[in-house]
Order: sequence, then C-alpha cells, then structure tokens
Amino acid sequence: KAGVTQTPRYLIKTRGQQVTLSCSPISGHRSVSWYQQTPGQGLQFLFEYFSETQRNKGNFPGRFSGRQFSNSRSEMNVSTLELGDSALYLCASSLDLSGANVLTFGAGSRLTVL
Amino acid sequence: QKEVEQDPGPLSVPEGAIVSLNCTYSNSAFQYFMWYRQYSRKGPELLMYTYSSGNKEDGRFTAQVDKSSKYISLFIRDSQPSDSATYLCAMSKSTGNQFYFGTGTSLTVIP
Repeated sequence: KAGVTQTPRYLIKTRGQQVTLSCSPISGHRSVSWYQQTPGQGLQFLFEYFSETQRNKGNFPGRFSGRQFSNSRSEMNVSTLELGDSALYLCASSLDLSGANVLTFGAGSRLTVL
Repeated sequence: QKEVEQDPGPLSVPEGAIVSLNCTYSNSAFQYFMWYRQYSRKGPELLMYTYSSGNKEDGRFTAQVDKSSKYISLFIRDSQPSDSATYLCAMSKSTGNQFYFGTGTSLTVIP
C-alpha cells in the first residue's frame, strides 16, 4: 500500500515568489491535513481538507492557501514568500472515522526561502 | 503559552537504558493522545495511540496518560541505537481532525 507522497521534496525560492506543494494521500483516505514544521515552533497546523472542502484552518496568514481535488489529492500554495516561511511542510492523510483519527505523514517538502 | 509543552532535550542515553519522554498540556478537551517518531529527513510515524487516561504497552514502548494532571509519558525500555530520533507527542479533541503537537524531544542512544 503506497504511503503519502509529497512533491517536490526540496525546493529553494526567493522572497516574494510563490510556491505550490503537492500531496497524494493514501488510497481511501479522504482527509488531508497540512502542517508546517520549524525547529522553534514544532509542527503547526495549517489546514485540513475533506471532500474538497476546507474543514479546519490554523492561525496562518492568508498567503497560505490550499485545495483538495475530487481524487483527494491536495495542494498548498504560499504566495509572496518570506524568509520565515522556510520550513518542512508536512502533509498527512487519515480515514476520517468517527472519534479520533490517526494521521499518516508524508516525508515532507523542505522549502528554503532566500 | 502553547497548548502542548514538551522538553526539547536533547537527550542522550547509553544503549539498554530506560528512556522517559514527557509532555504536558493545558486543554482539558484533549481525549486522544499519540506519540510519533521522526527520523532525520523523514516524516513523523505513529508509535503509540491511547484514548483517555491509562497505560498502553507495545513491545519496548509504554505510553501513559494522566488526564487529571494533564501529563503524558512515553517509556522506552532496553533502548537501542535505532531508537535515536525525535519523539513528538500529539493530541486531539473528541471531535474534529486537528492535532496539536509538542515541539519534539531529540533522543540519541549511544552504543
């Protein structure tokens, strides 16, 4: 069974540019969540999508956006990049059963902003 | 104040030692508690999952949850060099799919 696949794995951008990251969830998983991981803050929740709808959103500025397609694949976009956006961006998928769910993470996309 | 607090370490122990990792939290709505392990350049992988208070054991790993103290622990017995990683605690509420993570504790097991 394939895991969560994130592309690209590494990328370098400059301030002011925008970036799009892609995530393919585990087959059958309909919920996709995105997290930003930095050494100082740890994992911070960005947003969660289910059935192409954003269901939850963390405390990030509007420059961070995402979407989910009908096949559950998801993308996140960061516009007008800032140096502080340098981080590992993790995508996680889950079955979305009643009660708690278990997140399965991808390997992440490491973004460096120069 | 962050909702989940975790000592970042780093923690360095000799092979075979018992390791204790801890997190505290402030939100009494948390019902589900998890421990993830993250190796360098990899995404976190689920180690342990518990619901409400109590203990859960899986091989060399034991997870404890004390909801009255808002305190969770992960114990690793007979630690191995392959256990060297960052350990993240995570928790979620009874509804919704948003997880709250600690900042992670870096563990090194020395052969």
